[in-house]
Amino acid sequence: ETGVTQSPTHLIKTRGQQVTLRCSSQSGHNTVSWYQQALGQGPQFIFQYYREEENGRGNFPPRFSGLQFPNYSSELNVNALELDDSALYLCASSSNRNGYNEQFFGPGTRLTVL
Amino acid sequence: RKEVEQDPGPFNVPEGATVAFNCTYSNSASQSFFWYRQDCRKEPKLLMSVYSSGNEDGRFTAQLNRASQYISLLIRDSKLSDSATYLCVVRGAAGNKLTFGGGTRVLVKP
Repeated sequence: ETGVTQSPTHLIKTRGQQVTLRCSSQSGHNTVSWYQQALGQGPQFIFQYYREEENGRGNFPPRFSGLQFPNYSSELNVNALELDDSALYLCASSSNRNGYNEQFFGPGTRLTVL
Repeated sequence: RKEVEQDPGPFNVPEGATVAFNCTYSNSASQSFFWYRQDCRKEPKLLMSVYSSGNEDGRFTAQLNRASQYISLLIRDSKLSDSATYLCVVRGAAGNKLTFGGGTRVLVKP
């Protein structure tokens, strides 16, 4: 196990609703990255947080937003859910912002939007 | 064109055989390269980093060709437990983003 935890494990929402997903990083890690993985595809980078600040963002609309807390845990918020938001949402924690240290993935939250 | 492209497979491999597959990347400024393994409905896990000189980890060998912008993974003496999706991953110069390919599915059969 990586020590990265995510909650909830599964979630069902309807179009237009809002959702908050949570991630606890591995002990000693100060960086959290979020990815969206649609069925049959590779993970797509949403954004990264380093010491509570957003540190890079992928091609996702502003209705995808996030937070990182002083203990380095993080939240991903998605507003105005669309059917295409159905996916596995993965968070990954690491200990360094720009130099590469391995990103350790959590088990993911599987979101279904009806 | 996708930033990182992989043959989705599946590659059906007899147990004990060798299988190899590539991925191509479009950004010549890419800094680091990795292979991740993802089991069905699980999170990706780092299999190995890929170095310019090529590197080996047990039955796995990775190669990088910067001139042609592709990386490869070879699995020797395939085991049933090697059945998984192998994700090619590229890190850009900014260092804060991993770009994943769509994955290559490998099925090892008895």
